[in-house]
Amino acid sequence: DTAVSQTPKYLVTQMGNDKSIKCEQNLGHDTMYWYKQDSKKFLKIMFSYNNKELIINETVPNRFSPKSPDKAHLNLHINSLELGDSAVYFCASSRQYGEQFFGPGTRLTVL
Amino acid sequence: AQSVTQLDSHVSVSEGTPVLLRCNYSSSYSPSLFWYVQHPNKGLQLLLKYTSAATLVKGINGFEAEFKKSETSFHLTKPSAHMSDAAEYFCVVSGVGGGSYIPTFGRGTSLIVHP
Repeated sequence: DTAVSQTPKYLVTQMGNDKSIKCEQNLGHDTMYWYKQDSKKFLKIMFSYNNKELIINETVPNRFSPKSPDKAHLNLHINSLELGDSAVYFCASSRQYGEQFFGPGTRLTVL
Repeated sequence: AQSVTQLDSHVSVSEGTPVLLRCNYSSSYSPSLFWYVQHPNKGLQLLLKYTSAATLVKGINGFEAEFKKSETSFHLTKPSAHMSDAAEYFCVVSGVGGGSYIPTFGRGTSLIVHP
């Protein structure tokens, strides 16, 4: 069974559209994260939830909104997509203060 | 506050020779330190972690790292490189600040292995 899964794996869309990326973990972890990886491989943390509560909210445009319906899921909604949003988005989970387990990534391309 | 610096953006070695990927950190707290590997078009995988136990940490695939508090370093080594080690490597520091877990990633080191 996949520990951290993301859907979709690839997402190609037009500027101005709204899209969502879903993340699920079956590890029983309390904390989940979203990261953005740019073309130079730099990883930027965007959000973190612990027990469904937002604990990290880095400086990202408010077009990005995380939603955590339960401890096992953390979805990322993006409104009014822009060219600069093109990147690979990774979901991860961990026990509090523990090592992170990453999903396979979602490659978002905005045309 | 905390930060992590990976001193080399690229490291190139020949197959069978030693690997050294350098990482320096700063942290106001007793840090936990991690190394992750990312193969092309894949997610990140944990190589090893330091969490205030033994200062020499052994990880998967023959990698190890030594925590040196006096030098604020956590360099990653492997005695003999394999072609399959070619990947991006990330050093991560985390600490407890305000009751939350705050991971900070280095900018990554690309390991190139020549036959």
